[in-house]
Amino acid sequence: QSALTQPPSASGSPGQSVTISCTGTSSDVGGYNYVSWYQQHPGKAPKLMIYEVTKRPSGVPDRFSGSKSDNTASLTVSGLQAEDEADYYCSSYAGSNNWGVFGGGTKLTVL
Amino acid sequence: VQLVESGGDLVQPGRSLRLSCTASGFTFRDYSMSWFRQAPGKGLEGVGFIRREAYGGTTEYAASVKGRFTISRDDSKSIAYLQMNSLKVEDTAVYYCTRGGYSYSPWGQGTLVTVSS
Repeated sequence: QSALTQPPSASGSPGQSVTISCTGTSSDVGGYNYVSWYQQHPGKAPKLMIYEVTKRPSGVPDRFSGSKSDNTASLTVSGLQAEDEADYYCSSYAGSNNWGVFGGGTKLTVL
Repeated sequence: VQLVESGGDLVQPGRSLRLSCTASGFTFRDYSMSWFRQAPGKGLEGVGFIRREAYGGTTEYAASVKGRFTISRDDSKSIAYLQMNSLKVEDTAVYYCTRGGYSYSPWGQGTLVTVSS
């Protein structure tokens, strides 16, 4: 059982927006602004898409955005494209002695 | 910036294996390094991480591997290691190394560890 809760699946049509949630507690998501999101295509390594809740690494399209409210973080993908179809994982810092807190992953399908 | 894992293999339960993560393109000593794994068809699971030497080079581990797995680093060679002892069937997974301690980028391509008799 993962420490962070994500919906197992999400979907949307090309051009639409989709939001994936990531629910934790006040000890992780709610307690720190260190939520990150990862995209993983089948057979490939994960790729960092969002860090520190809202920041995008260089090269990540601005269609990807992050936010947080209380104990729930969210990843929004706007203007869905076929290549966005992938698994998405959230992660949160949870203190130095509780490392590696991840969500179970959400499979995003572009219809 | 690149990370390349190596050392994955087919091993019997109870045996040991050491994975290596060779880094290039950045100042290795300035970063914490983390290991994750992904069992077939499953999600990502944290294995452990090692802080940069400036922060003591200390380590943290997931409960599932604590006492069996050890992470170390050789800053002179830009390599992080994952020593895995007393391997179990449930340790079968692709093992990834990645840079960072609370957000992780980039990731290596992964190396497959299969534990089976």
